[in-house]
Amino acid sequence: EPEVTQTPSHQVTQMGQEVILRCVPISNHLYFYWYRQILGQKVEFLVSFYNNEISEKSEIFDDQFSVERPDGSNFTLKIRSTKLEDSAMYFCASSEGWSEGRMGSNQPQHFGDGTRLSIL
Amino acid sequence: AQSVTQLGSHVSVSEGALVLLRCNYSSSVPPYLFWYVQYPNQGLQLLLKYTTGATLVKGINGFEAEFKKSETSFHLTKPSAHMSDAAEYFCAVSLNSNYQLIWGAGTKLIIKP
Repeated sequence: EPEVTQTPSHQVTQMGQEVILRCVPISNHLYFYWYRQILGQKVEFLVSFYNNEISEKSEIFDDQFSVERPDGSNFTLKIRSTKLEDSAMYFCASSEGWSEGRMGSNQPQHFGDGTRLSIL
Repeated sequence: AQSVTQLGSHVSVSEGALVLLRCNYSSSVPPYLFWYVQYPNQGLQLLLKYTTGATLVKGINGFEAEFKKSETSFHLTKPSAHMSDAAEYFCAVSLNSNYQLIWGAGTKLIIKP
């Protein structure tokens, strides 16, 4: 069964450094997402991406964050000038496109295993 | 604004007993509803979803959930717990025109032998 893959599984970075988290979504999916889960807290939405542009972003997703689909397969999350509070598990997800003529938000999102980001 | 409440951060049941994990949502319009499971050191796996149609939905691993609009609930059940069901379970909602999933805090299911 096709799956979403994320690399690395664990990233340790010094505060202030830039980090890039990588994701390979399921190949025929059109919508891509990033979420994060700070230890002991809820999963939080960061951003969704469709047709090579951001379709929605949360308040968390400020100028420190950016996403990119540099080629036909990868979907990356870049965090500039990392802070201690960026330490979290970051999940990538993807979902199919149009269903029954409606937007794809009712299509289930398929998640990767996550990248645990530790900022020292 | 939408929100999701999962009652009980931990639920403990004996092997073979009924599993009931509670989820209530608040939304101004009928949402789409999902249950995901997270096994230790793994990602989030879809268990089941409700979009339209039959309000009782069946998922993987013998789980099912019933959408009750009058109670704004989407509780997850399984008739007989198995040791392999031990994991964290998350309820999530999304709206028609909204891409993001709104998550509950999760419930850790503990299975006693």
